[in-house]
Amino acid sequence: DVKVTQSSRYLVKRTGEKVFLECVQDMDHENMFWYRQDPGLGLRLIYFSYDVKMKEKGDIPEGYSVSREKKERFSLILESASTNQTSMYLCASSFPTGSGNTIYFGEGSWLTVV
Amino acid sequence: AQKITQTQPGMFVQEKEAVTLDCTYDTSDPSYGLFWYKQPSSGEMIFLIYQGSYDQQNATEGRYSLNFQKARKSANLVISASQLGDSAMYFCAMRDSGNTGKLIFGQGTTLQVKP
Repeated sequence: DVKVTQSSRYLVKRTGEKVFLECVQDMDHENMFWYRQDPGLGLRLIYFSYDVKMKEKGDIPEGYSVSREKKERFSLILESASTNQTSMYLCASSFPTGSGNTIYFGEGSWLTVV
Repeated sequence: AQKITQTQPGMFVQEKEAVTLDCTYDTSDPSYGLFWYKQPSSGEMIFLIYQGSYDQQNATEGRYSLNFQKARKSANLVISASQLGDSAMYFCAMRDSGNTGKLIFGQGTTLQVKP
């Protein structure tokens, strides 16, 4: 079975804190993604990585950074959390771009910034 | 630009009946992939079914089938014999043909199965 694991399901952080969201996949996928999901706005891509140490900005990268030191792990970093970053965050992974390559998601991380 | 449209914000279906969730898409690429995902209230995004633009037959996976009408640019999900556990949000998505290969999602349809 494919497995994408997000380290934290529920987090509550204070404004200004540095927040790490971790994601690990066991499928040897090259591509990894971070999305955020908000009511009325749907899913939006934050960052994307297609290889170790490689990253590209998605649609809404402001206020976020990422790290991919190992192929299986993709971390999302909120350098200084703000209340407008309260959201549900979804990590995903897949084999390289190809219309038939399914993207698999983790269970999601619910982040509340107070 | 690629776009996915799901026009049904919410749907009800009686248990054991079939239901169709609508999805239309827009793309100028000849090669594309269409996906359906299920998201229960717990939040995880579960892959259900995939249809490639060149696939001759409609995709099926157990109780899920995809009614692919290429000329109409529609990719409706059909769930047969609905179960209470099918109550969830359903998303239609298209894989972007660009460099990121990201998924472009529709707004989703909330399905409620009545006992």
